[in-house]
Amino acid sequence: DGGITQSPKYLFRKEGQNVTLSCEQNLNHDAMYWYRQDPGQGLRLIYYSQIVNDFQKGDIAEGYSVSREKKESFPLTVTSAQKNPTAFYLCASTAARGNTIYFGEGSWLTVV
Amino acid sequence: GESVGLHLPTLSVQEGDNSIINCAYSNSASDYFIWYKQESGKGPQFIIDIRSNMDKRQGQRVTVLLNKTVKHLSLQIAATQPGDSAVYFCAENMGYGKLTFGQGTILTVHP
Repeated sequence: DGGITQSPKYLFRKEGQNVTLSCEQNLNHDAMYWYRQDPGQGLRLIYYSQIVNDFQKGDIAEGYSVSREKKESFPLTVTSAQKNPTAFYLCASTAARGNTIYFGEGSWLTVV
Repeated sequence: GESVGLHLPTLSVQEGDNSIINCAYSNSASDYFIWYKQESGKGPQFIIDIRSNMDKRQGQRVTVLLNKTVKHLSLQIAATQPGDSAVYFCAENMGYGKLTFGQGTILTVHP
């Protein structure tokens, strides 16, 4: 089936640790995105990538890093510099500008 | 900065009623809007979209209306069902996936 796969679904992080969230899509979409969602809130853009080997900061990029070495993959690393990382993280992709954006099922990250 | 927002945070309806969820936007240059449905613990699910050269678009049981004069967007759900209970977001596509989301409206459908 075509779609966006995020893993893991649930992740616990100790303070001071870096963790990486995986996002894979088999839709052949050029652009991929990471959003953060806090309880009862809308989505905020962390990073996005329009093509392989290129990415740009979104509105809340501090404390996060990404890579785009392959078209189908856009992993997000939550670094120890992110002081409040507990949230629901959503990966998305789109074929082109102005096209519908599709989301994965999300990953819950909790700091313990 | 410019933003997209929602008028009502919660909406409760009876099964079979029609639901209307509203959204105001402030960026007059926006040309593409999307409605998403999000169930608890899941990613947003695309419902319907509309471009600024249209004022109405219909899908299956859903209709989106766009009033550019007052910068208002609405989602109408016909014959609302318990499975429609979720949070509904409108989003403004500011270019290549840079969506600006409203806070969301919680729709609760009572049997």
